[in-house]
Amino acid sequence: QVQLVESGGGVVQPGRSLRLSCAASGFTFRNYGMNWVRQAPGKGLEWLAVIWFDGSDKYYADSVKGRFTISRDNTRNTLFLQMNSLRDEDTGIYYCARSWIPYSGFADWGQGTLVTVSS
Amino acid sequence: QAVVTQEPSLTVSPGGTVTVTCGSTTGPVTSTNYPYWFQQKPGQAPRTLIYDTTNTHSWTPARFSGSLLGGKAALTLSGAQPEDEADYYCFLSYPGGRWVFGGGTKLTVL
Repeated sequence: QVQLVESGGGVVQPGRSLRLSCAASGFTFRNYGMNWVRQAPGKGLEWLAVIWFDGSDKYYADSVKGRFTISRDNTRNTLFLQMNSLRDEDTGIYYCARSWIPYSGFADWGQGTLVTVSS
Repeated sequence: QAVVTQEPSLTVSPGGTVTVTCGSTTGPVTSTNYPYWFQQKPGQAPRTLIYDTTNTHSWTPARFSGSLLGGKAALTLSGAQPEDEADYYCFLSYPGGRWVFGGGTKLTVL
């Protein structure tokens, strides 16, 4: 069955960087678009970024554009989110989610990894 | 920047029917917004229920359906069960590579 396992979360100081990973299994990773979504404590969902199946196209929410970079390694079945210049408001649970097509979309979700930005 | 609007909260009786709606500040929601609906229970990851307005995944209970209604996307739950108590989020696509979640609707089954 499809499994998405996020890792790399933790406590980080404002202004520092963090790299999240999402290990995928149970499906042909290279055939599907992938997303990152976050949820601040007690708040709703916020879409952050999407990457096409082959990495040829990437789109970002305005809130993270220029600071976060989505990427993927189709040989290692892994999705990444490089987060730079972190702010207090970046605190939350970060989820990766698989599309049902090679482009943007949603099907399966991981369980999330918690990022806390605090001095 | 588009804002996606939902009812903050709704209540439905067990066995009853309820509709959650999803609007956009940019104008009517259409099929070209490719509406999605997600369910999230406390302490759990979201789950995708509906994609592209009306389509369901294999895990979507048959009592959930999606549609367009009066310029909004709609999620209808027919025959509510206690386990359907959750937060529900819609998600819309906009031109130029923009995607936005609604603020969520807290559904109580009571």
